[in-house]
Amino acid sequence: EAGVTQFPSHSVIEKGQTVTLRCDPISGHDNLYWYRRVMGKEIKFLLHFVKESKQDESGMPNNRFLAERTGGTYSTLKVQPAELEDSGVYFCASSQDRPWVPGYTFGSGTRLTVV
Amino acid sequence: AQTVTQSQPEMSVQEAETVTLSCTYDTSENNYYLFWYKQPPSRQMILVIRQEAYKQQNATENRFSVNFQKAAKSFSLKISDSQLGDTAMYFCAFMIPNTGNQFYFGTGTSLTVIP
Repeated sequence: EAGVTQFPSHSVIEKGQTVTLRCDPISGHDNLYWYRRVMGKEIKFLLHFVKESKQDESGMPNNRFLAERTGGTYSTLKVQPAELEDSGVYFCASSQDRPWVPGYTFGSGTRLTVV
Repeated sequence: AQTVTQSQPEMSVQEAETVTLSCTYDTSENNYYLFWYKQPPSRQMILVIRQEAYKQQNATENRFSVNFQKAAKSFSLKISDSQLGDTAMYFCAFMIPNTGNQFYFGTGTSLTVIP
């Protein structure tokens, strides 16, 4: 079974530019989550998709962040325009209906650096 | 508020020795799940061990075991017979089922196993 795949693994962009992160969940996992870890701080929840619908987006920092999940398959997280404080590692995870039993499956993350 | 505190940003241990990573958390919920995740350098985060809060018996997975003290809200991880492959960032987390299914993470402990 393929795991959760994230692209790119690293991205360095200038302040004000746009970046799009992609996550391919495990096939058949309806639940898809985005998290972010700013250096030295805890990993924080951003949002949760159930299929193509946003179930919970309470963790999204501001309206510069836009997440989509077309067709309930892969998801993208776009940051536009990027600011210095957006630097960090963005994790994607997917799960089946009861994620607390096996837990999530995480991707390797995208390290975003805004300069 | 749901919080997780990992007070040891960095730790090291000699190969074959035992090390304990500390974690405390805060929640007013009574039913939740606790987790330790491990992220090796440049690789995906993987589940190390999981504990149901309603179970008094401490979870064990091979060389990994936890000391769960519910009243104290403490959930430490013990790694016995440390191996070089245990070198990683370790994150403590909990999840409250059926309330969004999001993880609440700590800031992580970077563990280095020294040959």
